[in-house]
Amino acid sequence: EVQLVESGGGLVQPGGSLRLSCAASGFTFSSYSMNWVRQAPGKGLEWVSYISSSSSTIYYADSVKGRFTISRDNAKNSLYLQMNSLRAEDTAVYYCARVGYEHRYYFDYWGQGTLVTVSS
Amino acid sequence: SYVLTQPPSVSVAPGQTARITCGGNNIGSKSVHWYQQKPGQAPVLVVYDDSDRPSGIPERFSGSNSGNTATLTISRVEAGDEADYYCQVWDSSSDHPGVFGTGTKVTVL
Repeated sequence: EVQLVESGGGLVQPGGSLRLSCAASGFTFSSYSMNWVRQAPGKGLEWVSYISSSSSTIYYADSVKGRFTISRDNAKNSLYLQMNSLRAEDTAVYYCARVGYEHRYYFDYWGQGTLVTVSS
Repeated sequence: SYVLTQPPSVSVAPGQTARITCGGNNIGSKSVHWYQQKPGQAPVLVVYDDSDRPSGIPERFSGSNSGNTATLTISRVEAGDEADYYCQVWDSSSDHPGVFGTGTKVTVL
């Protein structure tokens, strides 16, 4: 059974940093591209970042570019999101999501999400 | 950047058909994917590549895509279909390619 479990969320002050993790199981993690998607309270889904299976291709939303860094460790079956210079508008539930089929870019499995709250 | 526009809400009686639109410039040239999200839960993929269904998704869910509009159709609507629905595309011409629609709340009357 495919499982994605996020962790690392919490309360952080504006300007602070946080590192999210996503532990994958039930599939060959190294063969799949991954994404982070976030959802602010009461708002819609916002795509945040993408990383290919080998980490050779990485994309970011304009809203996080230069502040967030996506990475993965295929040996540990884990995806990460390093978030720096956090702002109030980064407050959201952050989901990791698997790309179901390369070059088709739909997200077939999602984690349960981890809440990040940026507030003083 | 590419923009996907959905109606904020759609209301439908049980047993009837709900149609949720997703508008985008020449969206017919892209593959459109649809997600269902119930309160407090993660999104679930219900249609991918315009009209394909993942295993476990009822045949009542179908999709189409042409011109500037993609449509998710839910036939024989049930109370359990009440949720938010989001369309999504991958804009390969962009360096920030992931795009979600604005979302549609489906209410079953």
